[in-house]
Amino acid sequence: EVHLVESGGGLVQPGGSLRLSCAASGFTFSDHYMEWVRQAPGKGLEWIGRSRDKSKSYTTEYAASVKGRFTISRDEPENSLYLQMTSLKTEDAAVYYCVRAVKHSDAYYFDYWGQGALVTVSS
Amino acid sequence: DIQLTQSPSFLSAFVGDRVTITCRASQGISSYLAWYQQKPGKAPKLLIYAASTLQSGVPSRFSGSGSGTEFTLTISSLQPEDFATYYCQQLNSYPLTFGGGTTVEVK
Repeated sequence: EVHLVESGGGLVQPGGSLRLSCAASGFTFSDHYMEWVRQAPGKGLEWIGRSRDKSKSYTTEYAASVKGRFTISRDEPENSLYLQMTSLKTEDAAVYYCVRAVKHSDAYYFDYWGQGALVTVSS
Repeated sequence: DIQLTQSPSFLSAFVGDRVTITCRASQGISSYLAWYQQKPGKAPKLLIYAASTLQSGVPSRFSGSGSGTEFTLTISSLQPEDFATYYCQQLNSYPLTFGGGTTVEVK
């Protein structure tokens, strides 16, 4: 069974840094695209970035709102996905979801989601 | 960026009603569209991918249609567990974007 478990959320001051982790199990981690999606309190969903699979060298894509501040990485032996967040702003406060993507035709759809990690940015 | 506009933003319906939600894209996205269901305090759940393909385990009362710029999610007979917020998402181009959501509440 696929499991995605996020950790590392918490309270951070504006301008600070935080690293989220996502422990993956139940599937071949290196074969899948992985995503980060966030949801501000009471708001909709926002895609923030992607890590492609091993065949594509785990290359990444980012939303403009986080590009240059957030970095997605993986630890293959640990089956873990990371989101390093720096220069945090109050508008980055949200629940952050780790998501597995699966390929159908030419696109990658978000089929399994973690429970989410809450990040609060406040002084 | 491709904008997705969902309508309505909110709807009230009875158990047993047929419900249709529309998602319009600001430019053509072929069939690279997904629908998700989210209940309060929970992660979203994939319902439909490639505009019209039902995800494994999702009840057949859910269906999706459309291509290009206009898409619909239909629930043929609303059940108590279907009261939730629904989002569409385009996977045609970066940045991947979501619609603003449609909340379905009990009438």
